[in-house]
Amino acid sequence: DIQMTQSPSTLSASVGDRVTITCRASQSINNDWLAWYQQKPGKAPKLLIHKASTLHSGVPSRFSGSGSGTEFTLTISSLQPDDFATYHCQQYCTYSGTFGQGTTVEI
Amino acid sequence: EVQLMESGGGLVQPGGSLRLSCEVSGFTFSSYAMSWVRQAPGKGLELVSCIGGSDGGTYYADSVKGRFTISRDNSKNTLYLQMNSLRAEDTAEYFCVKRDYPGNTCWPLFDYWGQGALVTVSS
Repeated sequence: DIQMTQSPSTLSASVGDRVTITCRASQSINNDWLAWYQQKPGKAPKLLIHKASTLHSGVPSRFSGSGSGTEFTLTISSLQPDDFATYHCQQYCTYSGTFGQGTTVEI
Repeated sequence: EVQLMESGGGLVQPGGSLRLSCEVSGFTFSSYAMSWVRQAPGKGLELVSCIGGSDGGTYYADSVKGRFTISRDNSKNTLYLQMNSLRAEDTAEYFCVKRDYPGNTCWPLFDYWGQGALVTVSS
């Protein structure tokens, strides 16, 4: 199984900050099949980005993804109040679809 | 509008059984592979099981293989997860999730999620 590790686990930031979250895979992810999800407390996750850098429909352009192989990043260019949440990365190049442990962005 | 609504969660004793259901609307259910993803309290997400759109092909995580069974009734637009021999470590919120594109393959990219059903395994 491919193991996914996110850093940091928790991130403290302010409105307007540029925020970067890193996701590392235990082995190379074919075709950059890496997704990012946003989850708010008590809610289901929502798809933000797929194929490492493609924004899902309706996702604001302040979100961006990059990377390839084993290292990927999610960047929020200017943090908004609605962005305080937990972010999960996920590889989907194998059926196990393993997720990272999550990164919580807090005020 | 795509909607997924789970039901059937609750409190069960270790060794017991429970069946989750997920009723969907807003898309052609039979054309999509569907999955269950769970999240233990304060923990990350784990793909538990997947079933193909029409061919019924299945995938199970090692942690549930032999204990859980995924199925679907395309005539009722409903996905199921039969959970047997439940353990304390199965305690989690269980999400019904839809694959991003039509197809039979259990491709684990999910564009819609239900609100979840809480399963608590405790004596």
